[in-house]
Amino acid sequence: GESVGLHLPTLSVQEGDNSIINCAYSNSASDYFIWYKQESGKGPQFIIDIRSNMDKRQGQRVTVLLNKTVKHLSLQIAATQPGDSAVYFCAESDSGGGADGLTFGKGTHLIIQP
Amino acid sequence: KAGVTQTPRYLIKTRGQQVTLSCSPISGHRSVSWYQQTPGQGLQFLFEYFSETQRNKGNFPGRFSGRQFSNSRSEMNVSTLELGDSALYLCASSLGGLGDTEAFFGQGTRLTVV
Repeated sequence: GESVGLHLPTLSVQEGDNSIINCAYSNSASDYFIWYKQESGKGPQFIIDIRSNMDKRQGQRVTVLLNKTVKHLSLQIAATQPGDSAVYFCAESDSGGGADGLTFGKGTHLIIQP
Repeated sequence: KAGVTQTPRYLIKTRGQQVTLSCSPISGHRSVSWYQQTPGQGLQFLFEYFSETQRNKGNFPGRFSGRQFSNSRSEMNVSTLELGDSALYLCASSLGGLGDTEAFFGQGTRLTVV
């Protein structure tokens, strides 16, 4: 039969508000986690990463939280802007880093309302 | 500095044909990873090359192959194309060393098999 395309979860927030995107991972051996942003027609763009020996890391307007107990990762974006509209993917790896052997989540479509 | 360059950007092929895609990593990067992105399966890891050697491989059939040259440029080849091979093929480059982190993706090659 015909394959069904992914129905991406959608998160709609008002410009200027904070947003939180969540991700569950499955591999207990994963030691490196990354968030990517993908805009239409472009490749994924690195946002922020975190290693398993940390539970929080902050960047410019973004914070990643890692809860290894429940295998949960979240991305917080502060003061969202129209340019933040994109699909956001979490990715995990047990290869230690880079883009080697990443397992990507299905993605969340973030829509910033003016 | 120049980003990851993938050529061609778009390609249309017929079932049964073969195709070669090219990826030029960021200067100084020695690791190149390839991913397939489809609406049904999302982003899936194909393989990773470092210093002309395949270091890691995903779960794709042998019709998918790749190689890396001494200048770190990489090619991937798909033989006996099937309709289901229609996808966005992305490559990512990183330094590739121990503790390597940030990887950079190209814009991808959109392959359509008819």
